[in-house]
Amino acid sequence: GAVVSQHPSRVICKSGTSVKIECRSLDFQATTMFWYRQFPKKSLMLMATSNEGSKATYEQGVEKDKFLINHASLTLSTLTVTSAHPEDSSFYICSTNPGGYDKNIQYFGAGTRLSVL
Amino acid sequence: KQEVTQIPAALSVPEGENLVLNCSFTDSAIYNLQWFRQDPGKGLTSLLLIQSSQREQTSGRLNASLDKSSGRSTLYIAASQPGDSATYLCAALTGTSGSRLTFGEGTQLTVNP
Repeated sequence: GAVVSQHPSRVICKSGTSVKIECRSLDFQATTMFWYRQFPKKSLMLMATSNEGSKATYEQGVEKDKFLINHASLTLSTLTVTSAHPEDSSFYICSTNPGGYDKNIQYFGAGTRLSVL
Repeated sequence: KQEVTQIPAALSVPEGENLVLNCSFTDSAIYNLQWFRQDPGKGLTSLLLIQSSQREQTSGRLNASLDKSSGRSTLYIAASQPGDSATYLCAALTGTSGSRLTFGEGTQLTVNP
């Protein structure tokens, strides 16, 4: 079964609204979660690394104020796309790892397809 | 900065053919290399993971090899089937704590009946 749960799987929203995406680790505590974005027919690009109890680390070129990340617990990280615009339409996916011996194995959520009208 | 390249970008083959997908990476200091499958509009399905100390991994009709020194990995699919049609992504895990996954742009495979 899935070890990482991501919700919602699909969101359609009007321009200017904010959208929250949740990523939960189901079987283990995740101190670190990763958020990726995928444009159509392109690969996944790391947006940010979410750290439990501290600020997220954003990749170069990713707007911190546009993509708010909160990692308030050891099993939940959220990505909020603020004031979404059509250019934010994309596939967003999270991943994490169990840490310890399995820290190099990444588990992915099923992804969220965001469509901004 | 790690860069991952996949060749070809697209591949169309008749059913039953054996095929090879290629992946190359610029930084050989990887923890592992992973192959994923992605169906249209869907998330990622992990196919094979090769640790840096390994040379290959096999699962059913799939075989993945890793040559760290040359910065290459291949995914071999035997006796391809229409159900194998998907985009195949390779990703190299690097970073100071083995936490950074860098993806290639994928190979879009179509297996024709």
